[in-house]
Amino acid sequence: AQTVTQSQPEMSVQEAETVTLSCTYDTSENNYYLFWYKQPPSRQMILVIRQEAYKQQNATENRFSVNFQKAAKSFSLKISDSQLGDTAMYFCAFMSFDYNTDKLIFGTGTRLQVFP
Amino acid sequence: DAMVIQNPRYQVTQFGKPVTLSCSQTLNHNVMYWYQQKSSQAPKLLFHYYDKDFNNEADTPDNFQSRRPNTSFCFLDIRSPGLGDAAMYLCATSRDPAGGQNEQFFGPGTRLTVL
Repeated sequence: AQTVTQSQPEMSVQEAETVTLSCTYDTSENNYYLFWYKQPPSRQMILVIRQEAYKQQNATENRFSVNFQKAAKSFSLKISDSQLGDTAMYFCAFMSFDYNTDKLIFGTGTRLQVFP
Repeated sequence: DAMVIQNPRYQVTQFGKPVTLSCSQTLNHNVMYWYQQKSSQAPKLLFHYYDKDFNNEADTPDNFQSRRPNTSFCFLDIRSPGLGDAAMYLCATSRDPAGGQNEQFFGPGTRLTVL
C-alpha cells in the first residue's frame, strides 16, 4: 500500500522569504502522480501543483516549484517570495497511474504560517 | 463560476439520528468523491462515483452510504452517526481520470458535529 509522509507538522516563514515543505512517499509503482494541495483556514482545498512521475523535469507554477527525486521518493514544495495569502495547511498527495484507483492518498499536512 | 457546492456548511446531529450531507457541482465532471477529514488528520476517501458506478473503499464503515441521482448531485448518508463520525466531510470532483484529467476540485466541506 502507498503511504505519504509529511514530517513537518508546522512551519513558519517571513513574508518575501522562501520556504520548503518536505514530503516523502512509499510505493512500488513506477508511474504515478504527485500533488500539493493547499487548504486555507475555513476555505476549500485547491491544487497548487502536480507532477507526473514519468517526467524528469520538476513542475513549476509561478512562485511554487517542486523538487522531485524519484529514486529517493521525495517530493518537496518550494514557495518563493512568500505572501500572507500563502498561510494554509499544505497536503502532499499520491495518486496511482491506474485510473481504476483514482483516489488521492494524502499526507498528514504541514501548517504554514507566513508572518509580515 | 463553475464550482463544487456543499450544503450545509455546518451540521449538528444527535447520536444515532440519520443525517444527509449534500454536494452539487456545476463543472459537469464525471467523478464525484467523498472524503472524511478528522481534526488535524489527512482527508481519507470514503467512496466515489465514476458516472453511475459506485466505488466503495474497503475500510469504509457500512454506516456510510452514498447516492448520486444525476451528474450534478451526490449525497452522503450517515445512517446512525456515532461520536467518532464527527469530522469535516469534503466533496470533490474530477473530469476524467482515465484521460489524465485527474485534478480534483474540492468543495468547502461540511463540518459535522454529533451530540
